[in-house]
Amino acid sequence: QSALTQPRSVSGSPGQSVTISCTGTSSDVGGYNYVSWYQQHPGKAPKLMIYDVSKRPSGVPDRFSGSKSGNTASLTISGLQAEDEADYYCCSYAGSYTFVFGGGTKLTVL
Amino acid sequence: QLQLQESGPGLVKPSETLSLTCTVSGGSISSSSYYWGWIRQPPGKGLEWIGSIYYSGSTYYNPSLKSRVTISVDTSKNQFSLKLSSVTAADTAVYYCARQVWGHDAFDIWGQGTMVTVSS
Repeated sequence: QSALTQPRSVSGSPGQSVTISCTGTSSDVGGYNYVSWYQQHPGKAPKLMIYDVSKRPSGVPDRFSGSKSGNTASLTISGLQAEDEADYYCCSYAGSYTFVFGGGTKLTVL
Repeated sequence: QLQLQESGPGLVKPSETLSLTCTVSGGSISSSSYYWGWIRQPPGKGLEWIGSIYYSGSTYYNPSLKSRVTISVDTSKNQFSLKLSSVTAADTAVYYCARQVWGHDAFDIWGQGTMVTVSS
């Protein structure tokens, strides 16, 4: 069970869109529609932003969207705002009631 | 609203057992809709799922930690607990407890986390 692969960092200017990828295998990301995304500000607990690949919990802005193609899931943030600067983690169900997280991506808002 | 709070020693000696408890308030741990999980984060690193438990006591563990991990639940106290044996410096991390939504397999509510350092 290896960690999912995410870019270490991405950046964008306010108002722009950025996409963070999350690559796994057919045993996790590609095999199930149970990919979730978490936002983590420094010193804080993670916050659920997307679940079931593309669903948003109540209260999460619709600027955040998720998708999946094959073994790669993606989180897109449109209309970037300063408060979006944080670390983002993907997570996938990996079968046999287990889960695997990605290594995390640091988003910088320029 | 539902809240989770981790508690336990912040310092554990190498080779000993790390023990943490998560207290659930504002809701019942016995809900059929949720599992309850432990996730950790070493300093400056990413998240790692440790394991999850259902209120009935069914448990699921990360294969890489399975030999050292025990998660238990006490429904009378609305708590669940983590024990990690034979710890080393590599187990130094912030440990989070979280609610896992059954059928969606996402962690929707998290505790604030507790830092555990393994050192003599």
